[in-house]
Amino acid sequence: NAGVMQNPRHLVRRRGQEARLRCSPMKGHSHVYWYRQLPEEGLKFMVYLQKENIIDESGMPKERFSAEFPKEGPSILRIQQVVRGDSAAYFCASSPNGGRDEQYFGPGTRLTVT
Amino acid sequence: AQTVTQSQPEMSVQEAETVTLSCTYDTSESDYYLFWYKQPPSRQMILVIRQEAYKQQNATENRFSVNFQKAAKSFSLKISDSQLGDAAMYFCALREYGNKLVFGAGTILRVKS
Repeated sequence: NAGVMQNPRHLVRRRGQEARLRCSPMKGHSHVYWYRQLPEEGLKFMVYLQKENIIDESGMPKERFSAEFPKEGPSILRIQQVVRGDSAAYFCASSPNGGRDEQYFGPGTRLTVT
Repeated sequence: AQTVTQSQPEMSVQEAETVTLSCTYDTSESDYYLFWYKQPPSRQMILVIRQEAYKQQNATENRFSVNFQKAAKSFSLKISDSQLGDAAMYFCALREYGNKLVFGAGTILRVKS
């Protein structure tokens, strides 16, 4: 059973461009969580999604950031008009259900904004 | 709101010795989970150990064990017989039912040979 997959692993964008980060959960997992890790800091929750639904987006910046988890295909975290402060590692985690299930983490996408 | 505090930014241990990493947390819930994650230079988040709040017995996984003090809201990680491969950033994390993980700021563990 393949683990959580994220691509790309590294992404470089110029200021003002768009960044799209993809997350394929483990097989059979229908719950996805996105976290951001700024340099020298711990991970911070961004958004929690089920298939076609956003359950909790309390950690998402109000502007430029959006996330989706369509019925088919990976979950996408989209950052529009990136700024230098968006440079970070973005981690995706998945679980088979919400609640008590353990979250399995992907390897992360390192976004660098130049 | 849930918070997790790791007061030791950095710790060092001699190979084969024992080290304890500290973590305190705050939550208003009675049903929650606590975790320790390891993040090596590869940045992959690796689950080290988990503890259910309703279980009084401290969790143990091989050389890793926890000291869970529910009343004091303390959750420390003990690593016995430290190995060079244990060198990494360690994060303490709290999860309430159905909710996101809340992480501490992390502790860098250095292992000296």
